Amino acid sequence: DAGITQSPRHKVTETGTPVTLRCHQTENHRYMYWYRQDPGHGLRLIHYSYGVKDTDKGEVSDGYSVSRSKTEDFLLTLESATSSQTSVYFCATFSGTGGSEAFFGQGTRLTVV
Amino acid sequence: LAKTTQPISMDSYEGQEVNITCSHNNIATNDYITWYQQFPSQGPRFIIQGYKTKVTNEVASLFIPADRKSSTLSLPRVSLSDTAVYYCPSNQGGKLIFGQGTELSVKP
Repeated sequence: DAGITQSPRHKVTETGTPVTLRCHQTENHRYMYWYRQDPGHGLRLIHYSYGVKDTDKGEVSDGYSVSRSKTEDFLLTLESATSSQTSVYFCATFSGTGGSEAFFGQGTRLTVV
Repeated sequence: LAKTTQPISMDSYEGQEVNITCSHNNIATNDYITWYQQFPSQGPRFIIQGYKTKVTNEVASLFIPADRKSSTLSLPRVSLSDTAVYYCPSNQGGKLIFGQGTELSVKP
């Protein structure tokens, strides 16, 4: 399995509190992604990174920010968590070279109460 | 921008062959077509990819016509364990969009 670790795996937090999810990779892949998955919506891209300090918005970026200070780590921050951000969050990595595949972490289940 | 479209859901019975088609709008000339499978409570995992014509591995076959505007994932003789969501993501210059995928339900 690709070396992608998400932490924490489960978290319950209160509305209005800041939350940071971490994704760590050992594959040295250029691209890293954060997705959220909700029933009936499939996988929706929140933000992605195409290099250290290089990030861009995805499909559902409002309320989220990201940072990538080194190749192996990609952080997702919910500045002020809301109940609508209750979801399962997946991190993925991708080398970007032709014929390569994306690898996913095991997911983080976040509940905002 | 590259975009893919696939059916939301499909039903099948054990032992049947299942074909899931994905349309690829504006696919880049150098992009591969890749399919992923996701089981409940797990992240998606790669199952097959191709560039043109047909590719087969131990899990599935992938058919890609010459114009590359579509692809068909073929699962031979499905079993209950093939019940999953299948994705054919688009690649917008490194931005991978997975969408809703196709939810395959295999019945006994």
